[in-house]
Amino acid sequence: NAGVMQNPRHLVRRRGQEARLRCSPMKGHSHVYWYRQLPEEGLKFMVYLQKENIIDESGMPKERFSAEFPKEGPSILRIQQVVRGDSAAYFCASSPQTDSGNTIYFGEGSWLTVV
Amino acid sequence: AQSVTQLGSHVSVSEGALVLLRCNYSSSVPPYLFWYVQYPNQGLQLLLKYTTGATLVKGINGFEAEFKKSETSFHLTKPSAHMSDAAEYFCAVSEKGANSKLTFGKGITLSVRP
Repeated sequence: NAGVMQNPRHLVRRRGQEARLRCSPMKGHSHVYWYRQLPEEGLKFMVYLQKENIIDESGMPKERFSAEFPKEGPSILRIQQVVRGDSAAYFCASSPQTDSGNTIYFGEGSWLTVV
Repeated sequence: AQSVTQLGSHVSVSEGALVLLRCNYSSSVPPYLFWYVQYPNQGLQLLLKYTTGATLVKGINGFEAEFKKSETSFHLTKPSAHMSDAAEYFCAVSEKGANSKLTFGKGITLSVRP
């Protein structure tokens, strides 16, 4: 299966702990996007990364959230000192380096619950 | 800035009936337009997209959408609903050009009655 792989699928954290969500893009894809889906809302863009570069982080909260996409290994979305409001589904998507249609391919998501 | 409006949060149709899910967008530049479907506890799957050319776009599972620039709309239709179409549907817009981020609407839940 060469799809976008996210893990863990479900994560429970206590308030104040750290959450790390991982995303392996589709084979051959060098662009990764993170989106957050809150209950009753659509997907909100968080960050767009290429290998070792953050291209657009305009949707990232200013504090506690960070993302990376190292040269080797998966992309990581890190949430420090989680609060109840961070409970959401976090979706990763990937695209190839060139795509005239901007199609991005989504993973199955990581559901974060903060208790 | 771009935005997407999907009026209403829930649509219910009978099996075999026409499905119409509305989407209006706002964009200062010519857009790319997308419809995605999400089944419970799963990721989003691309149904169809408009980039250039023919304004009537056909997608998977019998869905199609028509780009109407004058109405800034990209409504999704399917002539005959099937029970398996029950899901959440998201309209999205991006700027033309490689790797522009997508802006999503809030989504519409489609229910199909037997």
